[in-house]
Amino acid sequence: DAKTTQPPSMDCAEGRAANLPCNHSTISGNEYVYWYRQIHSQGPQYIIHGLKNNETNEMASLIITEDRKSSTLILPHATLRDTAVYYCIVRPPNRDDKIIFGKGTRLHILP
Amino acid sequence: ETGVTQSPTHLIKTRGQQVTLRCSSQSGHNTVSWYQQALGQGPQFIFQYYREEENGRGNFPPRFSGLQFPNYSSELNVNALELDDSALYLCASSLVGQARETQYFGPGTRLLVL
Repeated sequence: DAKTTQPPSMDCAEGRAANLPCNHSTISGNEYVYWYRQIHSQGPQYIIHGLKNNETNEMASLIITEDRKSSTLILPHATLRDTAVYYCIVRPPNRDDKIIFGKGTRLHILP
Repeated sequence: ETGVTQSPTHLIKTRGQQVTLRCSSQSGHNTVSWYQQALGQGPQFIFQYYREEENGRGNFPPRFSGLQFPNYSSELNVNALELDDSALYLCASSLVGQARETQYFGPGTRLLVL
């Protein structure tokens, strides 16, 4: 079973920051938080991952709370192309096999 | 694009038939994982192949089998197809042994079983 809880859907206005929450209250100390997204009829796309510190790349920022029980993915300036299902995933280090996906959050970007 | 390719893109089979799906991994990657995604659900892990051997398996019956070739490409074979096998089949490639390994997904093969 997935170790994360996400809202089933969210709306965000185009041009605004999209903030997607994720709860992972049972995360272990050495487990990473990963985010993927899946645009309709495509394969999942890796976005970002982190352990304790906040992370930023060209796609998004990841904010992890100090107790690591929750995190937020931030898309700073959402566009219509960001409409997708976003998956928050917890993975142990050095586990190179399966990714356990939940149902994710369906993000709708509104024009 | 990730550089992971899959073929065919779409496929229609009838119940009881067998199917083979193919995946070419991203250049430099040595591992391929397969996932099944039913409509409205997240992807479910089927198995992973590393160095041409199965390296982990999800909760799928033995009629789901696979191969990995020396060039790291891979096949997923499903025997005795059932209606519930209708799904999007995804493969993902990665480089085992790299710190904080990330899997990169292909576009998928959509299988319809009638």
